[in-house]
Amino acid sequence: DTEVTQTPKHLVMGMTNKKSLKCEQHMGHRAMYWYKQKAKKPPELMFVYSYEKLSINESVPSRFSPECPNSSLLNLHLHALQPEDSALYLCASSQGRRQGTGELFFGEGSRLTVL
Amino acid sequence: GQQVMQIPQYQHVQEGEDFTTYCNSSTTLSNIQWYKQRPGGHPVFLIQLVKSGEVKKQKRLTFQFGEAKKNSSLHITATQTTDVGTYFCAGLYGGSQGNLIFGKGTKLSVKP
Repeated sequence: DTEVTQTPKHLVMGMTNKKSLKCEQHMGHRAMYWYKQKAKKPPELMFVYSYEKLSINESVPSRFSPECPNSSLLNLHLHALQPEDSALYLCASSQGRRQGTGELFFGEGSRLTVL
Repeated sequence: GQQVMQIPQYQHVQEGEDFTTYCNSSTTLSNIQWYKQRPGGHPVFLIQLVKSGEVKKQKRLTFQFGEAKKNSSLHITATQTTDVGTYFCAGLYGGSQGNLIFGKGTKLSVKP
């Protein structure tokens, strides 16, 4: 069982919809991440929050808007997405404040389909 | 730019055969991590290597980090059907923010 919980597991949305992906961890980790993974590709970093502050934004289009309400929660707000945004969106957390300095705990992901 | 090359892209083996996947960087890494992703699943951390020349073992899995900290390998002895999945290496490049770059992965299939 993963200790990072993501909801929903599946999401289908139209290009004009507004939806949100949610992620929660109770391991006391201070860094949380959003990754995007297309089929047969590695995870691709989108955002990093360290101590609830956005520390890395990998030039992600503004139709993706992250939010970190507190140290346990991470949201990804979606608006006006394109079909090419269809992918598995993975949330992860780590104990270290810097990515790559320790194990990344991934959630099971939210599989997004944009029609 | 920073990138981690991983080969092979696919490997099909008979159950009981050995398997190896390799990762290579043109510049020195701070550390390297390995993840396994089962079909339809999410990446799961296997190990982190930090020291030059480091070798770590987990049952049938052997992980190595090169002396120059530019390459790494994962070797599985006597594969089992439970080993099926995609194995990713992820190399950490230095800097204040750190930059963890995933290799493209090696997809392992095991024929019983």
